[in-house]
Amino acid sequence: DTGVSQNPRHKITKRGQNVTFRCDPISEHNRLYWYRQTLGQGPEFLTYFQNEAQLEKSRLLSDRFSAERPKGSFSTLEIQRTEQGDSAMYLCASSLTANTGELFFGEGSRLTVL
Amino acid sequence: GQNIDQPTEMTATEGAIVQINCTYQTSGFNGLFWYQQHAGEAPTFLSYNVLDGLEEKGRFSSFLSRSKGYSYLLLKELQMKDSASYLCAVREGETGANNLFFGTGTRLTVIP
Repeated sequence: DTGVSQNPRHKITKRGQNVTFRCDPISEHNRLYWYRQTLGQGPEFLTYFQNEAQLEKSRLLSDRFSAERPKGSFSTLEIQRTEQGDSAMYLCASSLTANTGELFFGEGSRLTVL
Repeated sequence: GQNIDQPTEMTATEGAIVQINCTYQTSGFNGLFWYQQHAGEAPTFLSYNVLDGLEEKGRFSSFLSRSKGYSYLLLKELQMKDSASYLCAVREGETGANNLFFGTGTRLTVIP
């Protein structure tokens, strides 16, 4: 499968714990995005990388959230001291610079904070 | 910033035609996208408009009017499998980031 891969697919955690999600983009894609989606809403932009550089972060991304893409390939999204409001689907997407801008999404990582 | 508005829900009959509207207000507009998302699945790309006019792709067409900040997605010959959420998204060109800003989505239910 050469699509965008995310893991874990589901994570249940207690409030206050840290969680980390991983995203493996399509191999030739240099751009990687994280979005958050709650039930009945569209995806909300969190952050974006071009290669290993994090170029943009949304105001939604509080200090408890950190994302990395150390070698310009896979990316991790860590949430520290989770809160119940962090419960959502975390979607990763990738794209090529030189195209129409179509994003290819992974299946997402669903976080439930108890 | 962005302000993207689309209807929350729509219902249509199998075999019919349905039009899903999207209005937007954004600075530095650089493209409008439509994505389809089935429940519990990832969004998948349907169409892209950057110039005014109609783009047709099989049963799906998308229209854009930049001066009006308006787009619609037209689905013809509806099938039951078309029941899904349809997300309108705009790209802002100022940042050059290619990141998309999505509306809340329109949940379409196709009935027999």
